[in-house]
Amino acid sequence: QQQVKQSPQSLIVQKGGISIINCAYENTAFDYFPWYQQFPGKGPALLIAIRPDVSEKKEGRFTISFNKSAKQFSLHIMDSQPGDSATYFCAARGAYGGSQGNLIFGKGTKLSVKP
Amino acid sequence: GAGVSQSPSNKVTEKGKDVELRCDPISGHTALYWYRQSLGQGLEFLIYFQGNSAPDKSGLPSDRFSAERTGGSVSTLTIQRTQQEDSAVYLCASSQGRLTANSPLHFGNGTRLTVT
Repeated sequence: QQQVKQSPQSLIVQKGGISIINCAYENTAFDYFPWYQQFPGKGPALLIAIRPDVSEKKEGRFTISFNKSAKQFSLHIMDSQPGDSATYFCAARGAYGGSQGNLIFGKGTKLSVKP
Repeated sequence: GAGVSQSPSNKVTEKGKDVELRCDPISGHTALYWYRQSLGQGLEFLIYFQGNSAPDKSGLPSDRFSAERTGGSVSTLTIQRTQQEDSAVYLCASSQGRLTANSPLHFGNGTRLTVT
């Protein structure tokens, strides 16, 4: 019930291509869905986030698509660049732990963009 | 500070020893989180602090793990009698308030713990 399932585990894309990472969740109480980007040796950093009342959010080359009925959301990276090579984590905010909640993360997708 | 600071960046310890990991959150951030990142396992939630209290300790894997936060700032994660399965990167994060896009989690670079 508290899981966020992420796929694929790894992804190789040619420069200029589209990278697509998918996540699914079970708990309908989740109410905030961010994506984090992590480079080797660094902590994850927020990339883009969406609320469940919105079906799509775009920021530059990065787009989140959200399907509330299917309990799925995905990250699309358009015109992928070698500098996008990193590990990407989807997450969902749980409702416990007081008013703050905490983030439950997927297991990550290692993206490699080939020049 | 400019970001979340964690120390040490690397720690190698022998099985059975105790270790302390330190986190300095961003100044003014009231919420502080500890996560554990193991290879292929994503980020596993350990504990969350609001001020100096911990409303959610549900992720601590055993009673060998404990954490405290003092002065609403610095936090220490202590692992007693370390085991090889404790080897992982321990990440600390802080947020200004309720987690939203405008108040996201800010992570430190982690402490890589290796238990030999």
